[in-house]
Amino acid sequence: TQLLEQSPQFLSIQEGENLTVYCNSSSVFSSLQWYRQEPGEGPVLLVTVVTGGEVKKLKRLTFQFGDARKDSSLHITAAQPGDTGLYLCAGEWNRDDKIIFGKGTRLHILP
Amino acid sequence: DTEVTQTPKHLVMGMTNKKSLKCEQHMGHRAMYWYKQKAKKPPELMFVYSYEKLSINESVPSRFSPECPNSSLLNLHLHALQPEDSALYLCASSQEWGYQPQHFGDGTRLSIL
Repeated sequence: TQLLEQSPQFLSIQEGENLTVYCNSSSVFSSLQWYRQEPGEGPVLLVTVVTGGEVKKLKRLTFQFGDARKDSSLHITAAQPGDTGLYLCAGEWNRDDKIIFGKGTRLHILP
Repeated sequence: DTEVTQTPKHLVMGMTNKKSLKCEQHMGHRAMYWYKQKAKKPPELMFVYSYEKLSINESVPSRFSPECPNSSLLNLHLHALQPEDSALYLCASSQEWGYQPQHFGDGTRLSIL
């Protein structure tokens, strides 16, 4: 069974600060997704990364995929209270295989 | 708004009841999924349908019975559930099995009395 480690599990920071969430595996991902989930709703897809070294930006969110495709990070610049939520990474190691979710990072931005 | 629609949004049922959860998508996706999510935990895969055929059953108890009547619809029939089955049940779809990403509905919050 593939393992996917996500850290930190909890993060509470002041509005305006920057933060980074990490997702790691000992094996090479074929693809990795980042989702955001708010209470009472399903996970909403933020980004999919496939190519080693890939960087994608979504407003104040920057997603990086490691060169070796074993790790990914989500960086939020100037966090806002609206960024509060559960951030999940989900990785796939082989095509035609299920995705595995990380344990999630519960982010709370204090106004 | 999510493109995967789940009904009902909330469901409370007794352990002897029979009920069904419904999921619908009109994106032309040929893979559909059921996940179970407990509080403060990530989603856990239950079933995968590919081209209306059951491809994966993650050793789910038989009191959960999935059905895929056509390429747009996915049902989860519930019978004789236990209190520990209370959770958020999420439906997802993707272009094809093995093609990411998956798109999720908002889930059905199920409570077993």
